[in-house]
Amino acid sequence: SQKIEQNSEALNIQEGKTATLTCNYTNYSPAYLQWYRQDPGRGPVFLLLIRENEKEKRKERLKVTFDTTLKQSLFHITASQPADSATYLCALAPAGGTSYGKLTFGQGTILTVHP
Amino acid sequence: EAQVTQNPRYLITVTGKKLTVTCSQNMNHEYMSWYRQDPGLGLRQIYYSMNVEVTDKGDVPEGYKVSRKEKRNFPLILESPSPNQTSLYFCASSLYPEGAGNSYEQYFGPGTRLTVT
Repeated sequence: SQKIEQNSEALNIQEGKTATLTCNYTNYSPAYLQWYRQDPGRGPVFLLLIRENEKEKRKERLKVTFDTTLKQSLFHITASQPADSATYLCALAPAGGTSYGKLTFGQGTILTVHP
Repeated sequence: EAQVTQNPRYLITVTGKKLTVTCSQNMNHEYMSWYRQDPGLGLRQIYYSMNVEVTDKGDVPEGYKVSRKEKRNFPLILESPSPNQTSLYFCASSLYPEGAGNSYEQYFGPGTRLTVT
């Protein structure tokens, strides 16, 4: 069966360091992968999308890589700040037709950035 | 303001009493979706809709119904709620179909916390 795993349930780092979060998947052929941020009691907020034929995407302090051979995406936050503390979710959509809409989320990684 | 709204935000009900959670978006998005979020299980998709009158099952559709009669609204119906449907529910919308620069960004509502006793 399809499975998406975000390796760490929780990640603690010091301010200024780079946070690296991992999303692995099995039995899945994704058309694209997204990363979302979720704060307590709120809905997720979109951060980045990377498509199956892309290796890397950047947005300000954020970087996402996508390795379809390893079936893995890495999400990096450089120069992390306490305000980056949140839960980060990866989500995958399968390739093919209207299946674009069938999104599967990982269970999330809780990131805490300490001052 | 572009947004997704859900009502009610909080609901406590009893087993078997039919309920509807409404979802509305003002961004003219084709795509809408419902999710439930449970501790340890993450966000799981219940149903989604690619456009008016087009709906498809997500990963956990059992016990739920949806309809998409208008583009802006996508209500979630629980015909006979049970305690295992106690959860935090999110509605989301997105711009489709695919475009060269489309990020498929989903805009989420504020959530509805449902308790079924």
